[in-house]
Amino acid sequence: AQSVTQPDIHITVSEGASLELRCNYSYGATPYLFWYVQSPGQGLQLLLKYFSGDTLVQGIKGFEAEFKRSQSSFNLRKPSVHWSDAAEYFCATGGYQKVTFGTGTKLQVIP
Amino acid sequence: EAGVTQFPSHSVIEKGQTVTLRCDPISGHDNLYWYRRVMGKEIKFLLHFVKESKQDESGMPNNRFLAERTGGTYSTLKVQPAELEDSGVYFCASSQQGGSGNTIYFGEGSWLTVV
Repeated sequence: AQSVTQPDIHITVSEGASLELRCNYSYGATPYLFWYVQSPGQGLQLLLKYFSGDTLVQGIKGFEAEFKRSQSSFNLRKPSVHWSDAAEYFCATGGYQKVTFGTGTKLQVIP
Repeated sequence: EAGVTQFPSHSVIEKGQTVTLRCDPISGHDNLYWYRRVMGKEIKFLLHFVKESKQDESGMPNNRFLAERTGGTYSTLKVQPAELEDSGVYFCASSQQGGSGNTIYFGEGSWLTVV
């Protein structure tokens, strides 16, 4: 079965610092991978997705993710974090049938 | 284009009462999904409709939960009777008909508190 693992439950970064959130997937074939964000009291917003092709994917809000088959990873990155990025981030895999989410990483941004 | 809309956005009910959550998918999306996140835990799949048919309801926790999608448009999720452990956020999502890889778009969620 498809699954994703987010090893970091909570991450704290300073505003302006770079960010990398880790995600590892488990799937035999090429997976469909997503990153979603949930801000406090808000719904789930799609940041970016990977289906095939270029392994570096650009998303909204300045985020990007890189698919690395050799490492079974799909890490989310942002070069400079803003205070408004404080939220919970979910890596997910799947597609038409259903999406399976990781456990989420809570991002705290400090001044 | 309107996104996935859910109603109510917040609901507080007493244990034993009934709550009905409604979801309007994006127009033209045949696939409709329900997910929930209970007590800050993982986001869990509940079920998947293709038009009015239940494609997969393997995630429904028990028979207190009933989902319907009459006419293949909007969907309702009824919890009857509600228990304390049902508190959480219920997300609805939709996607276009097609093969794997279609993006699933989520609504803002219905936040349920059972007291």
